Amino acid sequence: DAKTTQPNSMESNEEEPVHLPCNHSTISGTDYIHWYRQLPSQGPEYVIHGLTSNVNNRMASLAIAEDRKSSTLILHRATLRDAAVYYCILRWQGAQKLVFGQGTRLTINP
Amino acid sequence: GAVVSQHPSRVICKSGTSVKIECRSLDFQATTMFWYRQFPKQSLMLMATSNEGSKATYEQGVEKDKFLINHASLTLSTLTVTSAHPEDSSFYICSATRDRVADTQYFGPGTRLTVL
Repeated sequence: DAKTTQPNSMESNEEEPVHLPCNHSTISGTDYIHWYRQLPSQGPEYVIHGLTSNVNNRMASLAIAEDRKSSTLILHRATLRDAAVYYCILRWQGAQKLVFGQGTRLTINP
Repeated sequence: GAVVSQHPSRVICKSGTSVKIECRSLDFQATTMFWYRQFPKQSLMLMATSNEGSKATYEQGVEKDKFLINHASLTLSTLTVTSAHPEDSSFYICSATRDRVADTQYFGPGTRLTVL
């Protein structure tokens, strides 16, 4: 599985945008970029995924670099409930399983 | 939609006993279920992949005789930790997908196992 690199931790303020980076320089053409997050003492939840084009949903936006070697998860207006560990995961289009890295622990200050 | 439940949420058992954890997809049929474990301050580690009606596929280093997985129906998978020891104490999380290939995984809330 291609690896991803994320900062161990980030901090932001409530009601401000948050940009969570992910580097994946060894990504292949058929790897999808998935983001999941895990709130404290809970199972992870799906956030967003994409292949080449930028993606938006009600939770977040995913900006994918033109060369696909990096991506950024954007939370447009962070709330305290967005404090979680965010995982950037590459998954081949035909694969079933997800391989979790260490993720980024996001702290939101009131 | 796409809700996954786990039972129990917490369990404490004595060393040497066996513990069964249930994972249910409440509003969809799960062709594939996954089992993870997570130690404190660490990431999730995949233990096994389970397709309904067939034997589970275990990840390297996971003892299949110790962690028994049954996926007898499209809405239920069970993980039995046999002869549990304190080092098996962990947070066990299941997930489920609706399709066999590349679908979003829907995670359960996790089960905290403590072995005394």
